[in-house]
Amino acid sequence: EDKVVQSPLSLVVHEGDTVTLNCSYEVTNFRSLLWYKQEKKAPTFLFMLTSSGIEKKSGRLSSILDKKELSSILNITATQTGDSAIYLCAVAPRGNNDMRFGAGTRLTVKP
Amino acid sequence: SAVISQKPSRDICQRGTSLTIQCQVDSQVTMMFWYRQQPGQSLTLIATANQGSEATYESGFVIDKFPISRPNLTFSTLTVSNMSPEDSSIYLCSVYGPTDTQYFGPGTRLTVL
Repeated sequence: EDKVVQSPLSLVVHEGDTVTLNCSYEVTNFRSLLWYKQEKKAPTFLFMLTSSGIEKKSGRLSSILDKKELSSILNITATQTGDSAIYLCAVAPRGNNDMRFGAGTRLTVKP
Repeated sequence: SAVISQKPSRDICQRGTSLTIQCQVDSQVTMMFWYRQQPGQSLTLIATANQGSEATYESGFVIDKFPISRPNLTFSTLTVSNMSPEDSSIYLCSVYGPTDTQYFGPGTRLTVL
């Protein structure tokens, strides 16, 4: 059965800290891994990763995929209170059309 | 990216009643997905709605409880039938965007008393 595991489940940091969120997966016929940020109701897309070792970057956020280790990390540098959210990792298997989500990491950034 | 709207954004319903959630997309899409997020949990796929055919339900979800309509390529509805407090969740519709990335609607927060 396909599985996506995120760690830690929750994290509390102070503004300016750097955080690393982890996602590991077991999935048949991997196609892509996606990171989402969920603040209120709907997740908003951050990154899609398909190739190992290629870092995707957007401002203070970056992410990289390791297909050998079946994992990905999401880094946030110089955190701000607005980064407080649940960060979801999802994996899309090849040939299927839906995604499997991890439980999420709840990040709280304190002033 | 795809622009998705959902109605209602929230509702409070009585046990035993039904609620229909609407999802509208600004472009034609082959598949629309319905997810549920129960309090404190991650997203769970309910079903995939294809235009012109029956929806495909995931394990643990049945058509009698969650009937889905897909009358055209831009619209879908999900009905939560005979509701109980355990159905209190956020319900999200989702579609694939141009770059094969999945985008979500704003969600419907349902509370069942």
